[in-house]
Order: sequence, then structure tokens, then C-alpha cells
Amino acid sequence: GAGVSQSPSNKVTEKGKDVELRCDPISGHTALYWYRQSLGQGLEFLIYFQGNSAPDKSGLPSDRFSAERTGGSVSTLTIQRTQQEDSAVYLCASSLGRTENYGYTFGSGTRLTVV
Amino acid sequence: QQQVKQSPQSLIVQKGGISIINCAYENTAFDYFPWYQQFPGKGPALLIAIRPDVSEKKEGRFTISFNKSAKQFSLHIMDSQPGDSATYFCAASRTGNQFYFGTGTSLTVIP
Repeated sequence: GAGVSQSPSNKVTEKGKDVELRCDPISGHTALYWYRQSLGQGLEFLIYFQGNSAPDKSGLPSDRFSAERTGGSVSTLTIQRTQQEDSAVYLCASSLGRTENYGYTFGSGTRLTVV
Repeated sequence: QQQVKQSPQSLIVQKGGISIINCAYENTAFDYFPWYQQFPGKGPALLIAIRPDVSEKKEGRFTISFNKSAKQFSLHIMDSQPGDSATYFCAASRTGNQFYFGTGTSLTVIP
């Protein structure tokens, strides 16, 4: 597609349930990032995939969060045993891999609400 | 620790006025400084970016001013329009690494 696609656009889940968020990056983009945006807050880095390299997981807030990227394309962010503080907009971005030249292209995000 | 500090948190400007948003950073290894614009319900979109080898970059009504010695950079929106009303984020990165974002500035341009 022409842009970064995220699904679902909205997700309401009960506390304690697991959720999976999906990101389809722009074709050919080797770098993929997940960020979290809480109400009135900036963008909090979660995880970064670059090609076949080991991902940078330094931003994941707890071991309940994990992400994978299959075939260097689609990525799934999984949150296990969701908590109310996990409620936020989860944004995925992709880039050609050289951030200083191309910047990120963001998707529209998945709004997660944990009730 | 907030890698990039952004101010003000919100800004109201009359149509035709100049909007100014400021950011400061600590890590001197940062070498790319983009600004993103976000409308409600959308992801942030790249607006303009600068590297530290220049002190100013202009694209249309949008200008980045960069002060390397002070570790500060700012976004100036000239002739602000109601359509510019959005949230603006500054960011900084080091080559090949993730972006660190500021906390955002909500801009409202009054007709």
C-alpha cells in the first residue's frame, strides 16, 4: 500500500486479556518502529526492527510487551495480561532505514482501551 | 530522562501571526532533528527536518532555526493559518537509532 497500515484502529479489551496489534509497513522499508502515545504525552519509544538485525527492545516497559516482525515486513505487537495503564494509542512507523535522510512514516495508530 | 524538552505545551496564535515552538536536547551525538505535525486521529507526519551542519532551513512558511552551541532548535510558522492548528512534535536522533520525541505542542490558530 501507499502508507503504513495499522489494525485494528480501535481495540477495547478487558483487564487481564492479551491483545495483538498489527502493522503493515511501506513496501521496501527496512526499518520499523513501535511507539506509544498516551493522552497529552509525547511519543514513547517501544521497539525498533532494522532488517535482519536483532531488534532494539530497550523501550519495552515490561515483559508483558513483545513484538515480532515476520519476513522483514509485517509486525505484531503483543501485550499480555493487559492493565489499565496500557491504554494508549500505539503507533507504528517505517523508514528506508537511514533516519537522517528519510524520517519516519507513521500509521494512524491503534487506540487501545483497557477496561 | 526526557532526551528532548519541548515548550510551550500549548500555543494560541491569531491568523497571520508567527507561531514559535522551542526544543532543547542534551545528547551532542544527535545528528538529525525533525518536526512532526499531528492532526486528531492521525499519526504524526514529517513536516521539516534539519541536520546540525546548518543553522536554518526554510520550507514555505515553515522554518527551523538550529543553535548547536546552545543545543536548541525551534520551529517558526510564518503567516499562521487555521489549518495549521495541530499538535507539533520535535524529535532528535543519532544515525541509525530511534527518534526521541518532545512532549508536543498543541497549536490553535484563531481566525
